[in-house]
Amino acid sequence: GAVVSQHPSWVICKSGTSVKIECRSLDFQATTMFWYRQFPKQSLMLMATSNEGSKATYEQGVEKDKFLINHASLTLSTLTVTSAHPEDSSFYICSAQGVGNEQFFGPGTRLTVL
Amino acid sequence: AQSVTQPDIHITVSEGASLELRCNYSYGATPYLFWYVQSPGQGLQLLLKYFSGDTLVQGIKGFEAEFKRSQSSFNLRKPSVHWSDAAEYFCAVGGGAAGNKLTFGGGTRVLVKP
Repeated sequence: GAVVSQHPSWVICKSGTSVKIECRSLDFQATTMFWYRQFPKQSLMLMATSNEGSKATYEQGVEKDKFLINHASLTLSTLTVTSAHPEDSSFYICSAQGVGNEQFFGPGTRLTVL
Repeated sequence: AQSVTQPDIHITVSEGASLELRCNYSYGATPYLFWYVQSPGQGLQLLLKYFSGDTLVQGIKGFEAEFKRSQSSFNLRKPSVHWSDAAEYFCAVGGGAAGNKLTFGGGTRVLVKP
């Protein structure tokens, strides 16, 4: 149990285009999901906290108009990177908060912007 | 503000030898502490967690960690390392309800020599 999936697992896009990443909790409901960003050989940095049915809470320094988060259901949160640029290339990882508030992590999405 | 320090960026250990990964945290209240492992290009897998009670915590894959409040530490240990333990290890601290807004350390990369 407590499986979290992400789609796609990797994506390559051209500069200026938008990319949507999905995060799904497969066997449990998650009112809260988190989005992290990880640059090569670095740690995970929390980008935002996504709550079902309400606006996401962004960490300081994260552009909310660039990284659009939608948490429309208890099993799905999406992160859209708008007008992506090469500096947005990174590994994006989501987690879903389950019973007991433990976070379960997805396998990550590698984004490469050309 | 909460923070986590993992002093060792890289550790190389021979297969069969013991392993200890250091983690120091800063948190204003009782911390919730976690150790995660990440294989290349993968998401995070929870090894163990400490919320309260016994300060020696047993986890999966033969790992254990000891919470020492006086030293603000939560070091991870394994008595005998296997080649499959080569990975990146992250210590994390969360506050409030267990797992909320995790702050990760910089990670320690473990290399296992045959």
